[in-house]
Amino acid sequence: DTAVSQTPKYLVTQMGNDKSIKCEQNLGHDTMYWYKQDSKKFLKIMFSYNNKELIINETVPNRFSPKSPDKAHLNLHINSLELGDSAVYFCASSQGEGATEAFFGQGTRLTVV
Amino acid sequence: AQSVTQLGSHVSVSEGALVLLRCNYSSSVPPYLFWYVQYPNQGLQLLLKYTTGATLVKGINGFEAEFKKSETSFHLTKPSAHMSDAAEYFCAVRFSGSARQLTFGSGTQLTVLP
Repeated sequence: DTAVSQTPKYLVTQMGNDKSIKCEQNLGHDTMYWYKQDSKKFLKIMFSYNNKELIINETVPNRFSPKSPDKAHLNLHINSLELGDSAVYFCASSQGEGATEAFFGQGTRLTVV
Repeated sequence: AQSVTQLGSHVSVSEGALVLLRCNYSSSVPPYLFWYVQYPNQGLQLLLKYTTGATLVKGINGFEAEFKKSETSFHLTKPSAHMSDAAEYFCAVRFSGSARQLTFGSGTQLTVLP
């Protein structure tokens, strides 16, 4: 069973379109995250939800909107896609605070053309 | 400011040689420390983590890391590299009061030469 699953794995779309990436975790974790990995492999946190409440909202354009319908799901919707949004987006989850590690999905490679 | 630094964006070793990947952090309070590995077109997998207690931590695939508070370091080592170790390695830190997020280093691409 996949612990953290994201769909789709690949997404190619034109500039200006709106797209969503879905994430689900079956680990029973209370916190979920979205990370962006750029072309140089640098990972940066975008958002974090704890028990469906937004706890981290980094400096991200407001075209990006996360939505958490329940503790097991955290979706990412992106409006008016731009070329610079091309990246790999990772969903992750963790439980509690402190030394707990995050579990990552396989990533969604978004290409904006 | 709190930060994570990985020295060397690319490291090449021969098969069977020692692997040493460096990670330093900047924080007045010792954080929680992690090493992740990313194989091509895959997500991140935890190799090992340091919480408290023993400063030498053993992980999967023969990797280990030592926490040195005085040097604010958490370097990753493996005595003998295998071809399958070729991947991107990330040091990650959860700083105190960071609202659970992990801050990642810039990554080190490990190449293993036959």
